[in-house]
Amino acid sequence: GAGVSQSPSNKVTEKGKDVELRCDPISGHTALYWYRQSLGQGLEFLIYFQGNSAPDKSGLPSDRFSAERTGGSVSTLTIQRTQQEDSAVYLCASSAGTAQETQYFGPGTRLLVL
Amino acid sequence: DAKTTQPNSMESNEEEPVHLPCNHSTISGTDYIHWYRQLPSQGPEYVIHGLTSNVNNRMASLAIAEDRKSSTLILHRATLRDAAVYYCIPTGSSNTGKLIFGQGTTLQVKP
Repeated sequence: GAGVSQSPSNKVTEKGKDVELRCDPISGHTALYWYRQSLGQGLEFLIYFQGNSAPDKSGLPSDRFSAERTGGSVSTLTIQRTQQEDSAVYLCASSAGTAQETQYFGPGTRLLVL
Repeated sequence: DAKTTQPNSMESNEEEPVHLPCNHSTISGTDYIHWYRQLPSQGPEYVIHGLTSNVNNRMASLAIAEDRKSSTLILHRATLRDAAVYYCIPTGSSNTGKLIFGQGTTLQVKP
């Protein structure tokens, strides 16, 4: 079946602009995660959606970052007033639900803020 | 969160076995041990996971110590495509869903 897909693959924006990144999880997966990986850095958790529960936003680095998940499926990560330090690969993953479940990652969106 | 310790890097020759160790001495009794890897310029991919017993799949084997404080990922015959960063991550009550990636082990495979 289809895996996790993300769009766009690459995004170049100017400092101060808003960007939206999209994630389509595997069909039927109730859990969805966003991570980011800055150049030469490790993978950093951002936010986690599980079913209809309130999302775990503990990893969001600032209030410029927000995410929503509509209809329990597609998710959008929004970065407002982008800064150069936001440049990174943003990765989405989904899983069947519980904390022990394997997460399946998308190919990521490479964001470059000029 | 359960803390993990892995060697920063390892080298292997192609077609030889590779044993990648991980210490997770603070792992919870109900946590699974997941291994993921990240190939260059790609998102992480699942490799294998286990709870107590050793596990085998088409990609690798996972040997879990009896006290569960450590585990070893075994690639039986390394190929050039196995060059990646390998992460061991306890999953369950230790992470409440989100994966906590450490630095992982960078595996180099020499032809």
